[in-house]
Amino acid sequence: AQKITQTQPGMFVQEKEAVTLDCTYDTSDQSYGLFWYKQPSSGEMIFLIYQGSYDEQNATEGRYSLNFQKARKSANLVISASQLGDSAMYFCAMREGGWTGNQFYFGTGTSLTVIP
Amino acid sequence: NAGVTQTPKFQVLKTGQSMTLQCAQDMNHEYMSWYRQDPGMGLRLIHYSVGAGITDQGEVPNGYNVSRSTTEDFPLRLLSAAPSQTSVYFCASSYRSQTNKPQHFGDGTRLSIL
Repeated sequence: AQKITQTQPGMFVQEKEAVTLDCTYDTSDQSYGLFWYKQPSSGEMIFLIYQGSYDEQNATEGRYSLNFQKARKSANLVISASQLGDSAMYFCAMREGGWTGNQFYFGTGTSLTVIP
Repeated sequence: NAGVTQTPKFQVLKTGQSMTLQCAQDMNHEYMSWYRQDPGMGLRLIHYSVGAGITDQGEVPNGYNVSRSTTEDFPLRLLSAAPSQTSVYFCASSYRSQTNKPQHFGDGTRLSIL
């Protein structure tokens, strides 16, 4: 089974609108971390936001927020007030805790295009 | 403020040639990893290391070797390049076993095998 599933290969959003990128995960660990990365066309991987499994509040970083629904095992990224510079690939990732807590698992990514 | 440094940035090889992709980090991270990125497939883990002298296979290890003689360096070796290894390769590092710490990525190596 896939550890991280991103079901939206491509998304479009109007400039200044909000957009939600979906991510579901699969783990039996109680302790884990969830991450979102942005990959612009230039290719580098940029860390955006982190959510811990024990965090009771949704993480926020500027225009980015993470809609964490633990029971549903979802960790959706919300980008508010989209900008043209937000056009990029977005990857969801998870790191499990416990004695095996080393590997990061990545989804296949969502390509976001912001329309002027 | 180097972070994770990958060299080279671009490389073209002929089938059957060997080469080493270099990766170095200056953040004293125990965990280092190599991924390949292909269209529509996200990042796939090739090999990883949790410390000097310790390496393990990831999802797609065939055709690649790694070693970790120091904390800083984690080179990836292609033994006999094949066209199927044409990809973008990323090296990443992080603290070991800390679920709240993200990975830091290098800028990637674009590798073409003819």
